[in-house]
Amino acid sequence: DIVMTQSPDSLAVSLGERATINCKSSQSVLHSSNNNNYLAWYQQKPGQPPKLLIYWASTRESGVPDRFSGSGSGTDFTLTIDSLQAEDVAVYYCQQHYSPPNTFGQGTKLEIK
Amino acid sequence: EVQLVESGGGLEQPGGSLRVSCVASGFSFSSYAMSWVRQAPGKGLEWVSAIVDTGGNTYYADSVRGRFAISRDNSKNTLFLQMNSLRADDTAVYYCAREKAGGGFGAFGLWGQGTMVTVSS
Repeated sequence: DIVMTQSPDSLAVSLGERATINCKSSQSVLHSSNNNNYLAWYQQKPGQPPKLLIYWASTRESGVPDRFSGSGSGTDFTLTIDSLQAEDVAVYYCQQHYSPPNTFGQGTKLEIK
Repeated sequence: EVQLVESGGGLEQPGGSLRVSCVASGFSFSSYAMSWVRQAPGKGLEWVSAIVDTGGNTYYADSVRGRFAISRDNSKNTLFLQMNSLRADDTAVYYCAREKAGGGFGAFGLWGQGTMVTVSS
């Protein structure tokens, strides 16, 4: 199984500043057939189901603010939130969907400093 | 409205069985792979099981393989998870999730609100 490891486990950032969350997979999630990285990012707020933010490692889901961006390839990925807003307080998860089981990272809790 | 609505959760004793369901509406259910993802209280997300659009292929996490069975009824727009030999560590909110169109099998663009399963004597 592919193991997904996020860092840090928690993060406190000032309003208007940048937040960076890292995700590392135990093996590459880049599929040679289509050159896509099978990596997604989700945001989960308390009492709510997760919400898809980014898929194919860097494609923003419709309706997601452009301050959210994803980057990386192979085994190392980053979710960046520019100009942090109060409503961005949440837990963020990366997930590989290269092969089942489609494992998630342990989550990164983002708070306001 | 495009939505997924889970039901069937509740309290069950260790060793017992429970079936949770997810009814889809507002989209062509038979065109999408579907999955179950769970979240234990205060914990992270755990992928549980997936089924392709036709129901012809299914996938399971090691933690549930042999005890849980995923299935679907495309005529009723419904996804199921039959859970047998339940254990205390199966206690979680169970979410139904739909693949993201054009996003690859296993990326979830639509989630239900979840149904709580508690395994306790």
